[in-house]
Order: sequence, then structure tokens, then C-alpha cells
Amino acid sequence: DGGITQSPKYLFRKEGQNVTLSCEQNLNHDAMYWYRQDPGQGLRLIYYSQIVNDFQKGDIAEGYSVSREKKESFPLTVTSAQKNPTAFYLCASSIGREGADTQYFGPGTRLTVL
Amino acid sequence: AQSVSQHNHHVILSEAASLELGCNYSYGGTVNLFWYVQYPGQHLQLLLKYFSGDPLVKGIKGFEAEFIKSKFSFNLRKPSVQWSDTAEYFCAVKGNNAGNMLTFGGGTRLMVKP
Repeated sequence: DGGITQSPKYLFRKEGQNVTLSCEQNLNHDAMYWYRQDPGQGLRLIYYSQIVNDFQKGDIAEGYSVSREKKESFPLTVTSAQKNPTAFYLCASSIGREGADTQYFGPGTRLTVL
Repeated sequence: AQSVSQHNHHVILSEAASLELGCNYSYGGTVNLFWYVQYPGQHLQLLLKYFSGDPLVKGIKGFEAEFIKSKFSFNLRKPSVQWSDTAEYFCAVKGNNAGNMLTFGGGTRLMVKP
């Protein structure tokens, strides 16, 4: 069964701690993305990767970091430098690096900072 | 930079009512346009997309959208909504020089009363 998995579904973090969100896809997609969803603001792009070992900052990259060591995995680390990390985080993937292909989304991780 | 506006943040309709959700974008070049839907507790999923050709696009579950280039709009329509259409709807745009980067609108939360 192909798709995108994100874990955990819910995550709680104390202030000052780094936390890593997992995203795995078995769709053999080249490109992967991380978005943050806040009420009334839609989805905002944090980081994206168009190929293994390469990634680019999106619109709101400050306080986040990523890695892309494997094609199927694109973990996101929310660092203590992120001032307002409580949000719903969505991972997506798409087939190619260029062109008008469709992005497919995972189920999301809800992060709450206590 | 491209941007997307969804002017209706919350919409409440009775079953069988007609639906039109507004989406306007700002981008001067060729665009690809998308509507995504997020049902309660489910993944964000593609409803329909416009790449080229016929500006009237039909999607899943009886939804359609019309690309009006002169108005920079891509409004979503459904002639008769059902209770199961209760969800949040997101419009997204990708400019032709933006790689695979999508810009999302803020979303419209639709509630259909049975």
C-alpha cells in the first residue's frame, strides 16, 4: 500500500527542546516537502527537497532543519530557536523536480509545546 | 512572489444548496491551479487541478472549478452539497517559474447542515 507516513501523530515538547518529526514515502517520488498549517493561514512551506542530499528553504525556514539522506525519508527537526512551534505539520511528496505534478500529503503531526 | 486569497473563511450551507468558494491569485505568468480538501481526521487530498486546456475543470465528488485568467480566479463550485462535503478547502497556485512550489490560500471551512 503506497503512501506517505508521518510519525508520531501527536507530539508534546517542552520549551527549549529540539524535536524531530518523521516523514517516509514509498511512492518513489523525487521531491518532498514540509508545510506548517495554522488556523486561517493555510499551509506555509518550511523546506523542500527535489533530490537526495539537496534541500532548499521555503518561506518560513527559521528555527527548522531538515536532511535528505535517503529518497524515501525527509525528517524535520523543530529546534529551540523556533519561537512559535505549536502547529500541525504536513509532509508531502511529488513525482518530479519540475513540471506540473501533484503533491500528495501525509496524515500530519500535531506538535504542542508545553 | 505569488499569493492566493480565499475570501470566505467560514461557510455554512444546508444540504442541497449550491456552493461557490472564491479563490484569487496574484502571479503574472502561466499558472497551475489546485483545490485540495481536508475532511475531518483525514489527509489533505487533491480535489481537482488545472494545468492547461479547457478552463472548466471537473474533479471528484461532483466538484468543478473554472479558471478565469482575466480575473485571476479559480472558484470552486458544486451544484448541490451534501453533509459529507463538510471539510476545509484549500486553493493553491504554482507559477511556471516556481519549480514545484505551491502557494496555498488560507482555507475555507465549509459546514453543511443535514
